[in-house]
Amino acid sequence: DTAVSQTPKYLVTQMGNDKSIKCEQNLGHDTMYWYKQDSKKFLKIMFSYNNKELIINETVPNRFSPKSPDKAHLNLHINSLELGDSAVYFCASSLQARAFFGQGTRLTVV
Amino acid sequence: QQQVKQSPQSLIVQKGGISIINCAYENTAFDYFPWYQQFPGKGPALLIAIRPDVSEKKEGRFTISFNKSAKQFSLHIMDSQPGDSATYFCAATTFQAAGNKLTFGGGTRVLVKP
Repeated sequence: DTAVSQTPKYLVTQMGNDKSIKCEQNLGHDTMYWYKQDSKKFLKIMFSYNNKELIINETVPNRFSPKSPDKAHLNLHINSLELGDSAVYFCASSLQARAFFGQGTRLTVV
Repeated sequence: QQQVKQSPQSLIVQKGGISIINCAYENTAFDYFPWYQQFPGKGPALLIAIRPDVSEKKEGRFTISFNKSAKQFSLHIMDSQPGDSATYFCAATTFQAAGNKLTFGGGTRVLVKP
């Protein structure tokens, strides 16, 4: 029983394309997140949603647009992909600050 | 501006030894300090966490020491095993804040030699 699952695990695409990453959690948590891990392994918050409402938008380019259709899902759509968007993107959910992460989506922009 | 600083960047320890990773934070509003363990190709997994009302928390071979006045906390891995080889991240957040975003340290790659 996967707690936080995201798809796809790998995504290779060309510059300028639009792509989406999907995330689902079955933990019943109210809060979901997107984090980005760069090539140096540094983890940084991108977005946080609480009960489908955007709480945190951490100065992410407008090309990134999260969408939360319900409490259990948080998707990430990226427009006009750039080389610098290559990274591992993690979805997470939390209950009282205890955060649980998905397995990540490795995005490679070529 | 890195609000949580972690050291060392990498660590090699012999099997059975003690691994020690240190973190320092700046934001005094932080009141929840978790440690995450990440294996290659996997997401970070919550290992152990502490709140500032205690100075130490132990779970199995993993111990967090917390020094509120110095704004520092550390992870000790006792009797380190090859299976502990992973990247460890300290983090900090405010427990009751909406969103509870985690601010991570830069990570420590630990290698336990058999």
